[in-house]
Amino acid sequence: NAGVMQNPRHLVRRRGQEARLRCSPMKGHSHVYWYRQLPEEGLKFMVYLQKENIIDESGMPKERFSAEFPKEGPSILRIQQVVRGDSAAYFCASSPDITEAFFGQGTRLTVV
Amino acid sequence: DAKTTQPTSMDCAEGRAANLPCNHSTISGNEYVYWYRQIHSQGPQYIIHGLKNNETNEMASLIITEDRKSSTLILPHATLRDTAVYYCIVRVGGTNAGKSTFGDGTTLTVKP
Repeated sequence: NAGVMQNPRHLVRRRGQEARLRCSPMKGHSHVYWYRQLPEEGLKFMVYLQKENIIDESGMPKERFSAEFPKEGPSILRIQQVVRGDSAAYFCASSPDITEAFFGQGTRLTVV
Repeated sequence: DAKTTQPTSMDCAEGRAANLPCNHSTISGNEYVYWYRQIHSQGPQYIIHGLKNNETNEMASLIITEDRKSSTLILPHATLRDTAVYYCIVRVGGTNAGKSTFGDGTTLTVKP
């Protein structure tokens, strides 16, 4: 059983471009979470999704950020018109229920 | 969720026990203590959790004081690969594990 897969592992975008981060949960997991870790800081919860539904987006910035978890395929975190402050590591976690979550290796976004 | 306080950093000699403290003086009766670690550039990894009894697994032991206001994570024979940031998290039992609040943690450096 493969772990949580995130891709790409590293992503470089110029200011103003769009960044799309993908997360494939572990087999049988229907809950997906996204976290952001700014340089030298701890992880901050962004959004919690189940298949085709956003359950909790209390940690998502109000503008430019969106997330989806379609019926088929990976979960996508989309950042439009990226700025330098978006440079961070973005981690995805998945779980079969609410009891425990497993994290992926992360995507490191660098905005130049 | 109750707030936790951890030392910023600790050193440990390879092969010796690493004892990582955590204060959670405002913990409620239904809140569990969880420990995770984050090895450089990787996603967080679950280590252990407990309510009030001491717990042990293949990775570590968790000692919770009788008043539950503090706990200690013990790595019995630290190796260089245990160098990581260790997070102590307090969370109500039955709540969503994917929405954990990560603080700054303790940076443990295991030295040869």
